[in-house]
Amino acid sequence: NAGVTQTPKFRVLKTGQSMTLLCAQDMNHEYMYWYRQDPGMGLRLIHYSVGEGTTAKGEVPDGYNVSRLKKQNFLLGLESAAPSQTSVYFCASIRETGFSEAFFGQGTRLTVV
Amino acid sequence: AQSVTQPDIHITVSEGASLELRCNYSYGATPYLFWYVQSPGQGLQLLLKYFSGDTLVQGIKGFEAEFKRSQSSFNLRKPSVHWSDAAEYFCAVGLTGGGNKLTFGTGTQLKVEL
Repeated sequence: NAGVTQTPKFRVLKTGQSMTLLCAQDMNHEYMYWYRQDPGMGLRLIHYSVGEGTTAKGEVPDGYNVSRLKKQNFLLGLESAAPSQTSVYFCASIRETGFSEAFFGQGTRLTVV
Repeated sequence: AQSVTQPDIHITVSEGASLELRCNYSYGATPYLFWYVQSPGQGLQLLLKYFSGDTLVQGIKGFEAEFKRSQSSFNLRKPSVHWSDAAEYFCAVGLTGGGNKLTFGTGTQLKVEL
């Protein structure tokens, strides 16, 4: 099983450019999440989804949009990138039942110049 | 809202020495508690979790953690550290309902001296 796969792994953007990060999971998980990781701040939740067609805001949603058109995919979009969005982005998924283990992707390192 | 505190940003131990990483949480009820490990350039891997029952939980790679309700703590321990344990460790609290969201601490960076 591939688990959770994120693409791309690295990206450099210019301020004002847009991009979409893709997260794909092959475990038939209902819940999916996007986090950002910054030095000294741990992981902070950007947006999450509790099923196909649903999305909800997390702790730091401003400047990001998400979509979950298919159960296995969760997309994170930056419409107009800003240097403050330079970060490492992680996608995770969890089964709906109970509070089981969260599976994480390998991360996407994004630099906005 | 729940919160997680990891008071130690960096810890250095000698290989073979014992290890304890501290985690304190703030939550209105008994939370779901987790420890994750992140090796450089990698995603997070679950070490262990506590939901209920025995307050001493065993995890992978020889790690264990003890839940102490009176101290709101969930400290991670290992009797003898190996050089390969060098990584960043995150404590997390799970909030059930409304998406089963995890709240992470700021992490502890472990360095192992040979």
